[in-house]
This record gives sequence, structure tokens and C-alpha cells, in this order.
Amino acid sequence: DQQVKQNSPSLSVQEGRISILNCDYTNSMFDYFLWYKKYPAEGPTFLISISSIKDKNEDGRFTVFLNKSAKHLSLHIVPSQPGDSAVYFCAASAGGSYIPTFGRGTSLIVHP
Amino acid sequence: DGGITQSPKYLFRKEGQNVTLSCEQNLNHDAMYWYRQDPGQGLRLIYYSQIVNDFQKGDIAEGYSVSREKKESFPLTVTSAQKNPTAFYLCASTETGYRTDTQYFGPGTRLTVL
Repeated sequence: DQQVKQNSPSLSVQEGRISILNCDYTNSMFDYFLWYKKYPAEGPTFLISISSIKDKNEDGRFTVFLNKSAKHLSLHIVPSQPGDSAVYFCAASAGGSYIPTFGRGTSLIVHP
Repeated sequence: DGGITQSPKYLFRKEGQNVTLSCEQNLNHDAMYWYRQDPGQGLRLIYYSQIVNDFQKGDIAEGYSVSREKKESFPLTVTSAQKNPTAFYLCASTETGYRTDTQYFGPGTRLTVL
């Protein structure tokens, strides 16, 4: 039973346009959410996070939106660049410990 | 230059053999983690340790064992009891184990069982 779902395995976007990656969760106890970026044959790197007390968090070109009532979060990348091409994982955790549950990832391809 | 190292990058094993994957960090982090990634799958937690000499099972601990004798080291042994060990293994660490920590990952080890 997947508690964190990324329903789009892949996404293709033109350079300069907006990339929107979506994530849904089922566990209402989740209250801290993260996005990671992963290149092939490398470990993931932390991108951005959001606590459930917020509905938006920005860091440069990256913005994460959280809709608690819909149990949905999204990552916006504006403008998209070819170097953003990677797999993006959504993760969620509950309580104080760092034991996140990961989604299956969305592969983003940004075309020049 | 702080970070997490995993060795080897690629590992081949015959069926029925145990194999140990190395994970070392020089970030002075308290908590360390082992994940497994399969194609098209997310990261699944195998074991984690929030302090030296203590570790907890994750979601898929069967067929794996770990030790945490030193703060900087968290080796993972894939035993012959693990039915499908071919996968990409990732080690990670966080400073305290609290959820707002940033989790740092190593480069991974790809294990193939022949």
C-alpha cells in the first residue's frame, strides 16, 4: 500500500517553461514533506522541504505547494533548465524522527 | 571535504554468498540509514541507526543485517537469506535523526547476484 504516490512516471518540458511535479499522500499523520533530486547512479540530493503548518515554500527557482485538505503537494520549477533533468522523489514523514516514506519518483526531462 | 562514501560502486556476488557493503561518513552525524532502490521504485528503508550501538529495522529488513560500532561507519550485510538482493543500495546520514535535518546520501552501490 503506497502511502506516497507520484502518479506520473515521467514528464517532458521545454527549457524556460514551468515544470510541475505532483505528489499525493494517504497518511493523514504525515506533517513534513521533502523533495529530492537524483541523477543516474548517484545518491539523491535534498532539494526543498515544507512543514504542514505552511502551504508554500520557495527556494530560488523551486517552489513547493502543500494542499493538506487534498493531501497533495507539488513542486514547481521555473524556469526549467536542461540541468534539471533528473528523477525527483517526493517524501513524507510523521512525528519527530527522520524516517521518511518515499514515492516512486518522476523522471523529468527538460529539452533545450 | 565532508561527505558519505560507499564502496564498492559495483559488486557482484554468487547466489548463496553473504556480502558486506561499506558506508562511511565524516560529517559527524549521529543517524545513519540504509535504503534499497529497485527500478521504478522509490527508496525503501532497510535499517537505520540513530546512535552508536543501536539500530532499528526498517520496512524491508529481512535478509539483511547491520552493525554500528563506530559513529562514522554503518556497514550492511546482505545475507543469503535475502531472496532478491540485486538492487541499488544507498546509505544516508542526518545530523541528529530529527525530521528537519537534511539527509545526505552516498553515491550508492549496485549489487548484482549472478
